[in-house]
Amino acid sequence: EAQVTQNPRYLITVTGKKLTVTCSQNMNHEYMSWYRQDPGLGLRQIYYSMNVEVTDKGDVPEGYKVSRKEKRNFPLILESPSPNQTSLYFCASLGGPYNEQFFGPGTRLTVL
Amino acid sequence: GENVEQHPSTLSVQEGDSAVIKCTYSDSASNYFPWYKQELGKRPQLIIDIRSNVGEKKDQRIAVTLNKTAKHFSLHITETQPEDSAVYFCAALVLYNFNKFYFGSGTKLNVKP
Repeated sequence: EAQVTQNPRYLITVTGKKLTVTCSQNMNHEYMSWYRQDPGLGLRQIYYSMNVEVTDKGDVPEGYKVSRKEKRNFPLILESPSPNQTSLYFCASLGGPYNEQFFGPGTRLTVL
Repeated sequence: GENVEQHPSTLSVQEGDSAVIKCTYSDSASNYFPWYKQELGKRPQLIIDIRSNVGEKKDQRIAVTLNKTAKHFSLHITETQPEDSAVYFCAALVLYNFNKFYFGSGTKLNVKP
């Protein structure tokens, strides 16, 4: 089954404790992306990747890092999380004959 | 960069009525305009999209129109049903030069039975 997976689905952490949210897709898509969703603000792009070893900043990259060492994985790293990074995070991949963007199930992060 | 504005932020309609959600964009280079539906607690899912070489596209009860000159595009849902209740997002980007996705802020549609 074609899918995008994320882990963990829920995470409560404390300020300053480094964390990684994993993302994996099995559709051989070149384009992958991370978004955060906050009430009233819609989806805002954090980082995107056009291919392996190619990443670029989206609209709200501050406080986040990403890496793309292999096509299927695109982890999101928060080196020193802060409470304003409390949000719902979605990973997505885009590709296929219709250039459809597929979203992962989401990760709800709370930073205390 | 691109700026996408979406209106209204909430929309309440009676079952069977039509619903219209409007988006405007600022970058004339944008050529791909997808719409996503997000049900409560779930991930966004693509429901329809339109490219800049087309003025209208329909898929059963859903249609999207695009006015490139005015830089706006709209989602039309006819004969609404309770299962249409969700948050709808529009987006704009330059297709085939994938870079940034720009989303509208979302419209919460409530279809009253």
